[in-house]
Amino acid sequence: NAGVTQTPKFQVLKTGQSMTLQCAQDMNHNSMYWYRQDPGMGLRLIYYSASEGTTDKGEVPNGYNVSRLNKREFSLRLESAAPSQTSVYFCASRRQQNPSTDTQYFGPGTRLTVL
Amino acid sequence: AQSVTQLGSHVSVSEGALVLLRCNYSSSVPPYLFWYVQYPNQGLQLLLKYTSAATLVKGINGFEAEFKKSETSFHLTKPSAHMSDAAEYFCAVSPYSGGGADGLTFGKGTHLIIQP
Repeated sequence: NAGVTQTPKFQVLKTGQSMTLQCAQDMNHNSMYWYRQDPGMGLRLIYYSASEGTTDKGEVPNGYNVSRLNKREFSLRLESAAPSQTSVYFCASRRQQNPSTDTQYFGPGTRLTVL
Repeated sequence: AQSVTQLGSHVSVSEGALVLLRCNYSSSVPPYLFWYVQYPNQGLQLLLKYTSAATLVKGINGFEAEFKKSETSFHLTKPSAHMSDAAEYFCAVSPYSGGGADGLTFGKGTHLIIQP
């Protein structure tokens, strides 16, 4: 199993450009998440998908859209990038069984710089 | 609502010394608590998780954490630090066992530095 994969690993955009961050998991998990990580801020939830076809806003959704294309894939789109969106973006998927094994697995991240 | 406070953005210890990373939480319901580790340029990896089954939780790489309800704390410890432990450590809380619809609420992180 590859686990959670993200593409690209690095990206530089100019203000106003658009792009889509891709995330895929091969663990047959129902729930998937997008977080952003900023220095001194920890991780903050952008969007969440409980299952294929459903998405919900997290703590910091402004400026982003998401698509849960199928059970495996959950993409994050920046329609008009702004410097404030410079960050490291992490995708996660959740294994839901009993409480002791219910946890989130994270991808390696996408480092985005908006100039 | 819940929140996490990690005391100390940077902690430095000597190789072989005790590692203690502090985490205090606030939660209106019984919490699930997590410690994740992030090595340079990598994603987050789960170290351990508190699920109310036991107050002392043992994780990977020799780490453990003790849940103290009276102190609203979940501090991470390791008896003897190794150079390979140098990383960023995040404490997280959730009212749901795996984060639920609100995801995990993370602390700001503690950068662990190991001195040779």
